Amino acid sequence: QSALTQPASVSGSPGQSITISCTGASSDVGSYNLVSWYQQHPGKAPKLMIYEVSKRPSGVSNRFSGSKSGNTASLTISGLQAEDEADYYCCSYAGVFGGGTKLTVL
Amino acid sequence: QVQLQESGPGLVKPSETLSLTCAVSGYSISSGYYWGWIRQPPGKGLEWIGSIYHSGSTYYNPSLKSRVTISVDTSKNQFSLKLSSVTAADTAVYYCARGNPDIAAAPPGDYWGQGTLVTVSS
Repeated sequence: QSALTQPASVSGSPGQSITISCTGASSDVGSYNLVSWYQQHPGKAPKLMIYEVSKRPSGVSNRFSGSKSGNTASLTISGLQAEDEADYYCCSYAGVFGGGTKLTVL
Repeated sequence: QVQLQESGPGLVKPSETLSLTCAVSGYSISSGYYWGWIRQPPGKGLEWIGSIYHSGSTYYNPSLKSRVTISVDTSKNQFSLKLSSVTAADTAVYYCARGNPDIAAAPPGDYWGQGTLVTVSS
């Protein structure tokens, strides 16, 4: 059970769009539509942003969207805002997490 | 509104057993969903520990399975974590969270506790 692979950091300017990738294997990301994405601000609990690859929980901005192709899932944030600056984690079947991506809003 | 609250000792000695409880309010555990534990060492990423259904059915992270026990008490609407033979590597913020309504091994869901820091040290 290996961790999912995410870029360590991404950055973007306000108003821009960014995409964070999450690469797994055919045994987890590739086989199940069970990829979730979490946002975590410093000192806070993670917040669910996307579940089952592309579904948004109630209350989550439609600026956040998810997709999957093969063994790689992606989180896209459009219209970047200062409050989007946080760590983002993906998670797949069997509770395998990615290492996290730090998003910096320039 | 569903709320989860972790409780338990903040300091555990090496080789002893870490014990935490997650009290759930605003939703009856007996109504469904899996309920799980996740941890995060200081400055590091998230690690899924395991989950439990109200029936007692469990699913554990294979890397921790030999040391983990998750149990549920529906009468108190809470579930618990025990991690045995702890070392400094088990020092982390421990979170409880609601899981998937049907799938034990699905990622954690929409409701999380605030987390509690457990330090392993003599």
